[in-house]
Amino acid sequence: AQKVTQAQTEISVVEKEDVTLDCVYETRDTTYYLFWYKQPPSGELVFLIRRNSFDEQNEISGRYSWNFQKSTSSFNFTITASQVVDSAVYFCALSENTDKLIFGTGTRLQVFP
Amino acid sequence: DTGVSQDPRHKITKRGQNVTFRCDPISEHNRLYWYRQTLGQGPEFLTYFQNEAQLEKSRLLSDRFSAERPKGSFSTLEIQRTEQGDSAMYLCASSLEVVVTGELFFGEGSRLTVL
Repeated sequence: AQKVTQAQTEISVVEKEDVTLDCVYETRDTTYYLFWYKQPPSGELVFLIRRNSFDEQNEISGRYSWNFQKSTSSFNFTITASQVVDSAVYFCALSENTDKLIFGTGTRLQVFP
Repeated sequence: DTGVSQDPRHKITKRGQNVTFRCDPISEHNRLYWYRQTLGQGPEFLTYFQNEAQLEKSRLLSDRFSAERPKGSFSTLEIQRTEQGDSAMYLCASSLEVVVTGELFFGEGSRLTVL
């Protein structure tokens, strides 16, 4: 069965701190996709990244980086030098070769000035 | 270009009433999705369309729920005989058809409160 677990319900940091959001997934398929979405207070989910199961290279985009490790079924997300505008709920999601996404329960990140 | 728009943004209704939500996707997107999100949870898939064809429905979509996309453009989601358990945010998303994208463009949602 497919499942995404985000064990951290809420994280609070002070601006400029680095923060890592954890994501652990379960799937029986060998082909799958992992995603991160951001949901700011306005409510509109915003796509951040997609990773397929055959590409374990880590990715960096500005202050954001993602660490995909198949051995531990994890796809963690790190924000470097956090800013107040990073405050949002972040969702990890899994797809088994379809556009139907299975979302985790989300991690609420609060960045204080 | 506007993004995905949903109407109404908020709806308060009494138990047993019918409600309908509308979603207008990004104009060139041929796939349209409905998700439901309850407080403290991630979005849960309900159904999706490719053009006007409804290709998949979740078991969450009981007989009281019906979704349509008659001309392959906007979509409606109707809930009949609402129950308090239907209270949630109903999210619409759209995407372009490729093998797999996962890059769904979401609207701001329609929040339903059933009293």
